Amino acid sequence: EIVLTQSPATLSLSPGERATLSCRASQSISSYLAWYQQKPGQAPRLLIYDASNRATGIPARFSGSGSGTDFTLTISSLEPEDFAVYYCQQRSDWPPITFGQGTRLEIK
Amino acid sequence: QVQLVQSGAEVKKPGSSVRVSCTASGGSFSNYPLNWVRQAPGQGLEWMGGIIPSFRTATYAQNFQGRVTITADESTSTVYMELSSLRSEDTAVYYCARDRSHIVSQQGWFDPWGQGTLVTVSS
Repeated sequence: EIVLTQSPATLSLSPGERATLSCRASQSISSYLAWYQQKPGQAPRLLIYDASNRATGIPARFSGSGSGTDFTLTISSLEPEDFAVYYCQQRSDWPPITFGQGTRLEIK
Repeated sequence: QVQLVQSGAEVKKPGSSVRVSCTASGGSFSNYPLNWVRQAPGQGLEWMGGIIPSFRTATYAQNFQGRVTITADESTSTVYMELSSLRSEDTAVYYCARDRSHIVSQQGWFDPWGQGTLVTVSS
């Protein structure tokens, strides 16, 4: 089973700042990585798939990069609605599909 | 734009079973994988398994093998997840989530998601 490790666990930033979230896979997963955003009481929402493709309706301030074992989600300039929990997910070697443990992005 | 609507919250006794439904509307159903993901209180996301309704064959995560059954009813565009031998650790919100693509090489990304169903296991 592929393990995804996200860092940091919590990231404290202010609106307007740039956010960089990391996800590391326990073995190479090529570009088979997605990012999701989850707000309290809501279902997750797909942001990025195949490491760098934005999902439908996702603002351009969200971007993904990486391949192999190291991936990054970047939010170029934080809006108030971006403060949430972010999860990475892999589909390279499944079953099972696995998720990272999440990064909480909080307002500083 | 497909929408997924799940059945309501459940309270179950340890050792019993629960069945959660997920009904799709407004989009294609039969050829898109439909998955189940759960989230324990304050915890992360855990994939349980999925099914392509037209194939009727489900794939399960090893952690749930033997306890979970995922089925589909194409006539009502509904997928069901049944979890048996419930224990307190199964208390969680259960989500259904459709694959964003029906193309096999592009499957594995979940969009959209249902609203979630809280299952509470308590004596």
